[in-house]
Amino acid sequence: AQTVTQSQPEMSVQEAETVTLSCTYDTSENNYYLFWYKQPPSRQMILVIRQEAYKQQNATENRFSVNFQKAAKSFSLKISDSQLGDTAMYFCAFKGRNKLVFGAGTILRVKS
Amino acid sequence: NAGVTQTPKFQVLKTGQSMTLQCAQDMNHEYMSWYRQDPGMGLRLIHYSVGAGITDQGEVPNGYNVSRSTTEDFPLRLLSAAPSQTSVYFCASSTGARSYYEQYFGPGTRLTVT
Repeated sequence: AQTVTQSQPEMSVQEAETVTLSCTYDTSENNYYLFWYKQPPSRQMILVIRQEAYKQQNATENRFSVNFQKAAKSFSLKISDSQLGDTAMYFCAFKGRNKLVFGAGTILRVKS
Repeated sequence: NAGVTQTPKFQVLKTGQSMTLQCAQDMNHEYMSWYRQDPGMGLRLIHYSVGAGITDQGEVPNGYNVSRSTTEDFPLRLLSAAPSQTSVYFCASSTGARSYYEQYFGPGTRLTVT
């Protein structure tokens, strides 16, 4: 069964600085998708970024980028120029042939 | 489009009561899922459906029933509520197309069982 591990329960970063959230996963599949979701205090789940495993190029969405290391089964999220609105819980998720599996989440606090 | 809607937003039940959490989507998505979110555990899949008339169990299905009579609706039934079912419940939908897989989440239902 696939598992997703987020080893950082909580992180803090100063406004305008860069922070990296870690995620590792375990799978025997070769084709899959990886996601980072953001959950602000409103509880809404918001897709931040998506990576297809067959693509070698790391995905980027404005201030958000990933470092996808397929061999190491690692999928970290980098947030540049952190903003107060980035304060949220961040979930890493894996989608293979079957179900979407989530990590336990990392609480990110951006300080002014 | 309203996207994915869930009702109610909040609910308090007594142990043993039954109720149905409603979920609807207006995007003509094939896939719909129910998750529960508990502190420190991320989201766990309860049940999912790949189309009208087809449902399957997820990671934590016990105590819950689902049905999918239409593409739009995917209600989750709690048969006999227990305190262990206190959680935040999310419904999600997606196209299911392999080339573009993204789940759209509803706003969640906070359920407390006393």
